[in-house]
Amino acid sequence: GNSVTQMEGPVTLSEEAFLTINCTYTATGYPSLFWYVQYPGEGLQLLLKATKADDKGSNKGFEATYRKETTSFHLEKGSVQVSDSAVYFCALSEGTGANNLFFGTGTRLTVIP
Amino acid sequence: DADVTQTPRNRITKTGKRIMLECSQTKGHDRMYWYRQDPGLGLRLIYYSFDVKDINKGEISDGYSVSRQAQAKFSLSLESAIPNQTALYFCATSESGAMNTEAFFGQGTRLTVV
Repeated sequence: GNSVTQMEGPVTLSEEAFLTINCTYTATGYPSLFWYVQYPGEGLQLLLKATKADDKGSNKGFEATYRKETTSFHLEKGSVQVSDSAVYFCALSEGTGANNLFFGTGTRLTVIP
Repeated sequence: DADVTQTPRNRITKTGKRIMLECSQTKGHDRMYWYRQDPGLGLRLIYYSFDVKDINKGEISDGYSVSRQAQAKFSLSLESAIPNQTALYFCATSESGAMNTEAFFGQGTRLTVV
């Protein structure tokens, strides 16, 4: 079956620190991979995605590379800001529609000035 | 205004009461979803609808029902609320037929059953 495992939080970093949030997946086929972000008091919104092996998704300074050989999609940012404080969800999909989205448990990031 | 709007944003109800959570969207999407978020468990799919006449159970549909009143409206009901249904509930929409499609989420409804 399909599943997503991401590193447990919470993660606390100082401003301008380097961020890595690990995500690995199990899938029966060739999934697309996503990172969603949930800011305080808001719903989830798509941060970035990659649809095939070796693709790199990027947005707002965040990056993640689809690694089929290690079944991973780690999220990275070179210099975090206080405004990046949020919960980050890794997810995979093997079909059309959000009914096929499988989410990880989420990682809470807090960035302190 | 938000593209996906959920009402109410917060609700406290008593065990055994019936409660309805509402969702409306202005994105023009055919597909709508209800998820539940619990600490440490991520999001789990309750029900989904691909159009007004199409309703499907998700991973955790027991104890819930839904109604798709129109393309833009999708409501979730708890017929007899119980404390372990205390959670954050999200409505979402997506385009139909597109691979790797993005889901658009509402701001969530925090439900507490006492």
